[in-house]
Amino acid sequence: QVQLQQSGPGLVKPSQTLSLTCAVSGDSVSGNSATWNWIRQSPSRGLEWLGRTYYRSKWYNDYALSVQSRITINPDTSKNQFSLQLNSVTPEDTAVYYCARVPTGTTREGLRLVYHYSGMDVWGQGTTVTVSS
Amino acid sequence: EIVMTQSPATLSVSPGERATLSCRASQSVSSNLAWYQQKPGQAPRLLIYGASTRAAGIPARFSGSGSGTEFTLTISSLQSEDFAVYYCQQYNNWPSFGQGTKLEIK
Repeated sequence: QVQLQQSGPGLVKPSQTLSLTCAVSGDSVSGNSATWNWIRQSPSRGLEWLGRTYYRSKWYNDYALSVQSRITINPDTSKNQFSLQLNSVTPEDTAVYYCARVPTGTTREGLRLVYHYSGMDVWGQGTTVTVSS
Repeated sequence: EIVMTQSPATLSVSPGERATLSCRASQSVSSNLAWYQQKPGQAPRLLIYGASTRAAGIPARFSGSGSGTEFTLTISSLQSEDFAVYYCQQYNNWPSFGQGTKLEIK
C-alpha cells in the first residue's frame, strides 16, 4: 500500500522560502512507473498543480508557469522522498499543500517508449502553510 | 493553459436520487480526464481516470463519460457519504483542475 507522508513548517515569513518534504512508502521515487507531484489549494486559487519530478533513465522536472521562476522540486533517493521549495513567498502563497503520485503506464511504439499518465491516486495528508510575518 | 469549467457550482439532490455533474475543457483533452471527491479536512480522492475508468475501490454507482471537451460524472443513487465537493482534472497537458461542484443534500 503506497503512502505519502508530508512534513514541514506551517508558518513562513514573507520573502522567505517554503520547504516541504513528502516521504514515500510502498513505491520508489526512482522507479519509472510514476510521477511525483506537488499541488496546493486555497480559496482564491482552488486546486493548483505546482510541478512534478520523475525518473526516466534520468531525472526530469516540470513546473507550472505560475511558479516556474520560484519553484524547485528535488528527489532524494537515499530517503525515498521528494521535496518542494518555493522561494520569495508572499501571502498569496498561503494554502494547503499536497504531494501526490501519478501512476504512469508505458506502451511501445516502434523503438520509442510512450508514457501514459493517469489521475493522482495517492495523496499526502496536506500541510497548511501560512505566509505571514 | 487548459481551463476546466465545472457546472453547476452547487447541486442539491436528495439521497437515493441521481446526480449529474459536468466538466468542460477549453480545448480537447482527449480522454485524459480524472474526477475527484473531497470532503472537509481531507485530501482529494481519485474516483475516475481516463474519463470513464473507476479507480480501485470506487463503488459502481460512480460513472464517468465523455471525451474531447465535454465530460460528465454521474452518481446513480446518492448515499449520505457522497455529499462532498467534486473536481475534474485534465492531464492531457500540464495538469489543471476545475473549480469544483459542491453536492449538497436537498
